[in-house]
Amino acid sequence: GQNIDQPTEMTATEGAIVQINCTYQTSGFNGLFWYQQHAGEAPTFLSYNVLDGLEEKGRFSSFLSRSKGYSYLLLKELQMKDSASYLCAVLDSNYQLIWGAGTKLIIKP
Amino acid sequence: DTGVSQDPRHKITKRGQNVTFRCDPISEHNRLYWYRQTLGQGPEFLTYFQNEAQLEKSRLLSDRFSAERPKGSFSTLEIQRTEQGDSAMYLCASSLGQDVNIQYFGAGTRLSVL
Repeated sequence: GQNIDQPTEMTATEGAIVQINCTYQTSGFNGLFWYQQHAGEAPTFLSYNVLDGLEEKGRFSSFLSRSKGYSYLLLKELQMKDSASYLCAVLDSNYQLIWGAGTKLIIKP
Repeated sequence: DTGVSQDPRHKITKRGQNVTFRCDPISEHNRLYWYRQTLGQGPEFLTYFQNEAQLEKSRLLSDRFSAERPKGSFSTLEIQRTEQGDSAMYLCASSLGQDVNIQYFGAGTRLSVL
């Protein structure tokens, strides 16, 4: 079967750095996405990785290792507005997005 | 570009009633997706369209669910004879259908079946 695992909840302090991990087992791989979702709102696109390595975009970076079936999202200089759920999703061999359950990130002052 | 819009934002209905939701995708996007999301879970794929053609439908989707995209623009999702288990957020997303295929989501329709 297809499976995406990420921690259910994480807590971090304003101004700090946090790393949210995602491991996946899917039928094929055509890229990995990270989305941010605030409570009651739509998911919004953060990053896309298809090759191994680190993609940096401002305060957010995303890393991929295809051989390990592993990705992480790194958030720097945390702000209170970063409190949200972060969803990892993999595009499988049928170009279908397989979603993780999301990691709820709580930022404390 | 006004993004993906969904209507209504909230729908409360009684068990057994039919409901219909509408999604207007980003204008130049040819792919349109419907998902269902419950609290604490990621989106669950329901179906998707390439222009007006419905190319895939989840095996989890019962016959009570039907979706259309008649002119390849907006789409409707209908649920017949609603059940309490249908209560969820119904999300619509659209994409250009190119290699990277980033999906952009609407704000969703929250359905409560009493």
